[in-house]
Amino acid sequence: NAGVTQTPKFRVLKTGQSMTLLCAQDMNHEYMYWYRQDPGMGLRLIHYSVGEGTTAKGEVPDGYNVSRLKKQNFLLGLESAAPSQTSVYFCASTREGTGVNNEQFFGPGTRLTVL
Amino acid sequence: AQSVTQLGSHVSVSEGALVLLRCNYSSSVPPYLFWYVQYPNQGLQLLLKYTSAATLVKGINGFEAEFKKSETSFHLTKPSAHMSDAAEYFCAVRRTGGFKTIFGAGTRLFVKA
Repeated sequence: NAGVTQTPKFRVLKTGQSMTLLCAQDMNHEYMYWYRQDPGMGLRLIHYSVGEGTTAKGEVPDGYNVSRLKKQNFLLGLESAAPSQTSVYFCASTREGTGVNNEQFFGPGTRLTVL
Repeated sequence: AQSVTQLGSHVSVSEGALVLLRCNYSSSVPPYLFWYVQYPNQGLQLLLKYTSAATLVKGINGFEAEFKKSETSFHLTKPSAHMSDAAEYFCAVRRTGGFKTIFGAGTRLFVKA
């Protein structure tokens, strides 16, 4: 049981390039989330999904797109990377949405630098 | 709207000393409250959570937190710091019935030998 995995772990992009970050979970969780972590700002929600085939915007969605074609995968895309998107990106999943046992399980993160 | 404020971006303690990390929340309805820990180059992991069952919550690695409604606080404590406790700690809030979690800015704990 690998939990939540993220690919790649590190990436350097030039301004304007595109890339896709992959998140995979093997816990059969319904809800999945993408966050970005910046110094002094904690984690901010980019997009989330409440089930296969669904996506929704979070707090800071501009410049990102997501897809959840399979329940276990949640992809985060950057169509035209900007230096402001330099950050550490975390994926998380939860078994249920609103219940008491809504613990978030996090992946190890992807460190992205945009030059 | 919900929010979380962590007082102090950095806290330094000596090994064996008391650890106190402060968290205050704002929520219009009774919330669920969480503390997560992040070790260097790793993702966040749950330390403990408050779900209204008991105001004093015990977590992993000897940490505990007390929910004080009158003070809107959920401070994290550990009686005796260990070098392995050096990490970043995040307080988070989620309203009951909701599924979005709001995270504080984090407090980095340093433990001196």
